[in-house]
Amino acid sequence: DIVLTQTPLSLSVTPGQPASISCKSSQSLLHSDGNTYLYWYLQRPGQPPQVLIYEVSNRFSGVPDRFSGSGSGTDFTLKISRVEAGDVGVYYCMQSLHLPSYTFGQGTRLEIK
Amino acid sequence: QGQLVQSGTEVKKPGASVVVSCKVSGYDFSSLPITWVRQAPGQGLQWMGWINVYNGHTDVAQEFQGRLFMTTDTSTTTVKMEMTSLRSDDTAIYYCARVSQIRFDYTWGTTRLDVFDMWGQGTVVIVSS
Repeated sequence: DIVLTQTPLSLSVTPGQPASISCKSSQSLLHSDGNTYLYWYLQRPGQPPQVLIYEVSNRFSGVPDRFSGSGSGTDFTLKISRVEAGDVGVYYCMQSLHLPSYTFGQGTRLEIK
Repeated sequence: QGQLVQSGTEVKKPGASVVVSCKVSGYDFSSLPITWVRQAPGQGLQWMGWINVYNGHTDVAQEFQGRLFMTTDTSTTTVKMEMTSLRSDDTAIYYCARVSQIRFDYTWGTTRLDVFDMWGQGTVVIVSS
């Protein structure tokens, strides 16, 4: 089974400073169709998850451009250029290449200093 | 844009079954699939399965096969998820989520879900004797 490993598991960031979260896959997420099926979700405290990024680097509608995704193959990164108080929560990467199961990383908790 | 509203908290004994409903509004009910994800207390997200609301086709994660069933009710625009033979480790928040689109993968001969773009508020299911 495919495993997504996120690092760090938690981070504390001063408002206005950048943050970066890594997601490493046990297998490549690149499909022969040229797409890479890696997504990022944010779950704010007490809320359901919401999508931030799809297919590595595409911001979902309404997501601020402070959020960016990058990477290829097995290594991916979510970056927040300037952290705000509203960014607090748990960030999850998810893969949808290796079916039949959709696998999430274990999550990275972001808190504000 | 739409909304998914889930049913309320359930408390069940081990071995029982639970039904969680997901009421859809604000968009064409049959047009988009619904998927289910759960989250055990203090844990991460676990994908469970999905249903094609248009034709009723379902796909269930291996760990839930034989215990997880999903149905639709067009008259009430509701999707239901039933889990049987409950165990204490089924205690979790259960989320339904809309899938933005599905794509058929001709290379792998499978259907792939796209973004989970709208989520219900979650339903707490507690399994305890």
